[in-house]
Formats: sequence, structure tokens, C-alpha cells
Amino acid sequence: NAGVTQTPKFRVLKTGQSMTLLCAQDMNHEYMYWYRQDPGMGLRLIHYSVGEGTTAKGEVPDGYNVSRLKKQNFLLGLESAAPSQTSVYFCASSYITSGGNEQFFGPGTRLTVL
Amino acid sequence: TQLLEQSPQFLSIQEGENLTVYCNSSSVFSSLQWYRQEPGEGPVLLVTVVTGGEVKKLKRLTFQFGDARKDSSLHITAAQTGDTGLYLCAGVVGSRLTFGEGTQLTVNP
Repeated sequence: NAGVTQTPKFRVLKTGQSMTLLCAQDMNHEYMYWYRQDPGMGLRLIHYSVGEGTTAKGEVPDGYNVSRLKKQNFLLGLESAAPSQTSVYFCASSYITSGGNEQFFGPGTRLTVL
Repeated sequence: TQLLEQSPQFLSIQEGENLTVYCNSSSVFSSLQWYRQEPGEGPVLLVTVVTGGEVKKLKRLTFQFGDARKDSSLHITAAQTGDTGLYLCAGVVGSRLTFGEGTQLTVNP
């Protein structure tokens, strides 16, 4: 099993350009998440999905859109990139049990917006 | 918005020393998790604590959940250089996690 994979690993954009980050998981998890990680701020939730065809806003959703057309994929889109979106983006997937919500993370995408 | 505060933010110690990292909130969580993250990788779950007052041990790491389920601590005994990394606590509410800012631990030989 590959677990959670993210494409691309690195990307440099100019202000105003658009791009899509792809997350794929092969664990048949219902739940998928997009986070951004900035120095000194931990991980902040952008959007998440509790199942195929569903999406919901997280803590910092502005400037991002998502889609979950297939259970195994979760796409994060930036329609018009801004320098404030320079960050490391992590995707995660999980299933929920009575013991909690263990999230499995991908390796991250490092995005720089000039 | 539920906030989790971790302290200290940075910790640099010598191999063999003990240390404690704290995770505090004014909110109650159904459970609390600790993750460890290495450079260039995503976080990896270390432990989930569910019951107030619960203590879990993972080799030299001891995790405790506060009685009121609002805070937690991570204690490492006799730290090793391999313990170096970013430690993140996360409060669980339903399908969402709220992460603390993280504690960057450096263990020097």
C-alpha cells in the first residue's frame, strides 16, 4: 500500500496563477483533509471531506476550493494564487473509531508564490 | 475556534536528559493525540488518549490526559538523538482535529 500520496512535491507559482494539488489514498478511508503548515502555527485545516461527493470548510478556507469526485482522491485548487498562500500543504485521510480519529498524512507539497 | 497551546515552542537538550512538553486548552476534547513530524515528511501518530486522567507509555515516552480532558503532557525519559523532531498535539472533536503550534525538540549528542 502506498498510503497517502501527494502531487506535486514542489511548485513555484507567480501571483495570480492557478493550480491544483492532488491527494490520493489507497486505504479506503471515508475522511480526507487538506492542511497548511506555516512556521510557528502548527497545522491549520483548510477544507475536509467526510465522504465521496461531500466537502466542508475548515479553519482557513478562503482562497481555496476542493473537490471529492472519487473516494480515493481529494483535490485542492488555488484559483488565483497569492504570496500569503506560500506554505507546505499536507493531505491526510482517516477513519473514525471509538478510540479517536487517526489521520494518515502524505509527504506534503511545498508551494512558493512569488 | 478551539485553541491548543503548546509549550515550550523550542527545546534543546543533551542526550540522557528528561523533558516534558505541555499542551493546554480551555476547550474539552473527546480525545487528544500526539504526533511526531520529521523534516520533509508528514506527521505520524504516536498515541491517542481518550479518558480523563489516562496515562499511556510508549517505551521512554509517557503521555497523560488531564482529568478534565482539556490538557495533556508528553514526558520523555533519557532522551536520545533519535527523538529529535517536531511534536504536535491535536484535540479531536468529531471528524476534525485542532493542532497545537508544535514543539521543536533537538537532542544533542
